[in-house]
Amino acid sequence: EIVLTQSPGTLSLSPGERATLSCRASQSVSSSYLAWYQQKPGQAPRLLIFGASSRATGIPDRFSGSGSGTDFTLTISRLEPEDFAVYYCQQYGSPPYTFGQGTKLEIK
Amino acid sequence: QVQLVQSGAEVKEPGASVKVSCKASGYPFTSYFIHWVRLGPGQGLEWMGVINPGAGGTNYPQKFQGRITLTKDTSTSTVYMDLRSLTSEDTALYYCAAGRGGWYVHFDYWGQGTLVTVSS
Repeated sequence: EIVLTQSPGTLSLSPGERATLSCRASQSVSSSYLAWYQQKPGQAPRLLIFGASSRATGIPDRFSGSGSGTDFTLTISRLEPEDFAVYYCQQYGSPPYTFGQGTKLEIK
Repeated sequence: QVQLVQSGAEVKEPGASVKVSCKASGYPFTSYFIHWVRLGPGQGLEWMGVINPGAGGTNYPQKFQGRITLTKDTSTSTVYMDLRSLTSEDTALYYCAAGRGGWYVHFDYWGQGTLVTVSS
């Protein structure tokens, strides 16, 4: 089983700042089958990024993903008020399809 | 548009079983594999298994093998998740999610979630 470790656990930033979220895998993720999801309280998760760096339909270009192998990053270039949420990475290249434990992005 | 609509909240006693449904619409039912993911209190997302609505094949993580069964009803475009021998640790919000066209795909669409509470 591939274990995903996200850091930091909580990130406190202000609107307009840049956010950098990390996801490290215990072994290489096949073909960059790495996704990022955003979840707000009371809502289902929402797909942001797939294939490590491809934005899902309708996702603003302030969201970008990068990385390969075991190290992946989600960057939000300029935070908007609606971006404060919990973010999860997920690998879907090797069952079981594991998630990281999440990074909570909160308003400073 | 693609929609996944789940059944309502459930309260179960320890040792019981729960069956949650996920009705798909807005696309050919066999085009998307359906996954189940849960979110426990104070915990992260946990993948529970996947079903191919076409051929009916399934894949479950070892943690849930023997306790979970995913089935499908093509006539109603509905997938069911049956979880047995419930304990308080199964109290969680359960989601179905759809990934297009194969086993190794991201989850494009999600249901609204079904709260399952296990309590005596």
